[in-house]
Amino acid sequence: AQSVTQPDIHITVSEGASLELRCNYSYGATPYLFWYVQSPGQGLQLLLKYFSGDTLVQGIKGFEAEFKRSQSSFNLRKPSVHWSDAAEYFCAVATAGGTSYGKLTFGQGTILTVHP
Amino acid sequence: GAVVSQHPSRVICKSGTSVKIECRSLDFQATTMFWYRQFPKQSLMLMATSNEGSKATYEQGVEKDKFLINHASLTLSTLTVTSAHPEDSSFYICSASRLADYNEQFFGPGTRLTVL
Repeated sequence: AQSVTQPDIHITVSEGASLELRCNYSYGATPYLFWYVQSPGQGLQLLLKYFSGDTLVQGIKGFEAEFKRSQSSFNLRKPSVHWSDAAEYFCAVATAGGTSYGKLTFGQGTILTVHP
Repeated sequence: GAVVSQHPSRVICKSGTSVKIECRSLDFQATTMFWYRQFPKQSLMLMATSNEGSKATYEQGVEKDKFLINHASLTLSTLTVTSAHPEDSSFYICSASRLADYNEQFFGPGTRLTVL
C-alpha cells in the first residue's frame, strides 16, 4: 500500500524567506503526486500536481515542486514566502489502477507559520 | 471550473440524532465522489468512495451502518451520520473527480459536525 511522509509537522519562516516542505512517498509504480493547501476550517486547494514528464512542476501562488524518483521525494518550494502563505500543507499520492483508482493517500501535513 | 460545494458548512446536533451532509459538484459531472474525515490537527482519512448509482466502498474500520452514503446522481452525494454521538464530532470533507481529470479530486469546503 502507498504511504506519504511529511517529516516536518511545523515550520516557521520569516516573510520573504525561501521555503521548502518535504514529502517522501512509498508506492510501487509511477506515482501521481499532489500538494494541497488548507486554511483553518476550509477545504483543500490544489497547489500543483505531477503525473509525468518534466520533474519540476510549477503551481499556483508561486509554488513549485520537484519529483525525484531516486529519493522518492516530491518537495514543495517557494523562493519568497508571503504572510498569506501561512496554512497547512498536505502532500498526497494517488493510486493509478485497479479498484482503488484515483484514491488519495495524504501525508500528516505541515503547518507553516510566517513571521513578519 | 470544477467547483464542489457542501451543505451545511456547520451543524450542531444532539446525541442520538441523524445528520445529513450534502456534497454537490456545481459545474461538472462527478463520476466518483469521496468522503473524508479530519480530526483536529490531523490529516484527512478516507472514509468511503462512491460511484454514481453504485453502493459506496468503505475503508476498513468505517461503519457502513453509521455512515450512510448515497450517490444518487452525477452531481450529488450525501453522507448521513446516523445516531450521532460526541465521538462522531469532526470535520467532514467531500471531493469529486471527473472523467476528464481522472486522477485529480476537487474538494468541497468541509462540514464541521458537533454532537452534544
